[in-house]
Amino acid sequence: GAGVSQSPRYKVAKRGQDVALRCDPISGHVSLFWYQQALGQGPEFLTYFQNEAQLDKSGLPSDRFFAERPEGSVSTLKIQRTQQEDSAVYLCASSPRGGSYGELFFGEGSRLTVL
Amino acid sequence: KNQVEQSPQSLIILEGKNCTLQCNYTVSPFSNLRWYKQDTGRGPVSLTIMTFSENTKSNGRYTATLDADTKQSSLHITASQLSDSASYICVVSERGYSTLTFGKGTMLLVSP
Repeated sequence: GAGVSQSPRYKVAKRGQDVALRCDPISGHVSLFWYQQALGQGPEFLTYFQNEAQLDKSGLPSDRFFAERPEGSVSTLKIQRTQQEDSAVYLCASSPRGGSYGELFFGEGSRLTVL
Repeated sequence: KNQVEQSPQSLIILEGKNCTLQCNYTVSPFSNLRWYKQDTGRGPVSLTIMTFSENTKSNGRYTATLDADTKQSSLHITASQLSDSASYICVVSERGYSTLTFGKGTMLLVSP
C-alpha cells in the first residue's frame, strides 16, 4: 500500500482480555517502531524492529506486552490480560533506513479502550 | 533522562496570523530534530528533519530553526490557515540509538 496501515482502528476490550494490533508498514521499509500515545500526550516508545530482529524492547511497560515481526514486514503488538491503564492509541511507524536516522511514516493508530 | 519540552502547551491564533512554537531538549549526543504535525485522530506527519549542521529548514509556510549549542528549536508558521489547527510535536533523536524522544506537543487552534 501507499502508507502504513494499522488495524483495527478502534478496539474495545474488557479488562483481562487479550488483544492483538496489526501494522502493515510501507513495503521495503527496514525499520518498524511501535509507540503508545495517551490522551493529550506525545507518543512514548515501546519497541523497535530492524527487519525481523527486535533490537530494542526497552519501552514495553510490562511482560504483558509482546511484539513480533516474523518475516520482517507485518508486525503484531499483543497485549495480554489488558488493564484499564493500557487504554491509549498505539501508533506504528516505519522507516526506509535503520535506526532513528530516516524519516518516519506513521500509521493512523489503533485506539484501544479497556473497560 | 532525555527530555523534550515544548511551549506553549496550547495556542489560539486568528486565521492569517503568524505564530512560533518552541522546543527545548536535553538529548545528547544529538543526532537530529524533527517537527511533526498531528491532526486529531490521525498519525503524526513529518514537517521537517534537521541535523546538527542545519540551523534552518522550510517546508512551505513552516520554517524550523535549530540552535544545537543552546539545544533549542522553533517552528514558525506563516499566514496561518484553519487547516493548521493540530498538535505540533518536537522529536529529538539521540545519536547511536533507535529511540526517539517526543515532546508532549503544542496544540494550535486557528480561529476564523
